[in-house]
Amino acid sequence: DSGVTQTPKHLITATGQRVTLRCSPRSGDLSVYWYQQSLDQGLQFLIQYYNGEERAKGNILERFSAQQFPDLHSELNLSSLELGDSALYFCASSTRWDTSKLFFGSGTQLSVL
Amino acid sequence: KNQVEQSPQSLIILEGKNCTLQCNYTVSPFSNLRWYKQDTGRGPVSLTIMTFSENTKSNGRYTATLDADTKQSSLHITASQLSDSASYICVVSPNSGGSYIPTFGRGTSLIVHP
Repeated sequence: DSGVTQTPKHLITATGQRVTLRCSPRSGDLSVYWYQQSLDQGLQFLIQYYNGEERAKGNILERFSAQQFPDLHSELNLSSLELGDSALYFCASSTRWDTSKLFFGSGTQLSVL
Repeated sequence: KNQVEQSPQSLIILEGKNCTLQCNYTVSPFSNLRWYKQDTGRGPVSLTIMTFSENTKSNGRYTATLDADTKQSSLHITASQLSDSASYICVVSPNSGGSYIPTFGRGTSLIVHP
């Protein structure tokens, strides 16, 4: 168990809808990362937060947004969903913002029908 | 553009056999390279980390090598077990310009048959 909690585990929704994925980092970790993993694709970096502030941005669509709250949990909001957004979304956390050792949650499997 | 290429894409071996997975990268300047193991339906877990000055590092039956000159790494698995069936991901981190976001390869899917 990595200590990173993601909810829900599975999410099935329709095109055009909006969903929120939730992540609780390991106790003491200040940095949270969001990754998208599509079928046969590597993990694509979306966004990183550190202690409540956005630290780095990757290939995140404008329809997607995220935030990190004062208690350090994070949410990833996906709106106007398309079929191509179906993927496994991972949250990871780390103690520092400049480390490569990430602790991953078990992911949220999003299916857009 | 920072890239990490892994080969083979997939590999099937018999239990007890050895195998070697390859990773080539163009991430520069280089900070470190990690190998992660991702079981099906789970998040990746770090196996090893290698910095510029390290050539070889072992973690049980896993041995990683790094050639920073040719920008290549390998992960050797000895005496494979059924539980080694997973995706093995090479992850390379830069060290400059304020960007420390690691770049993930697509992984090598390893299946170990009894």
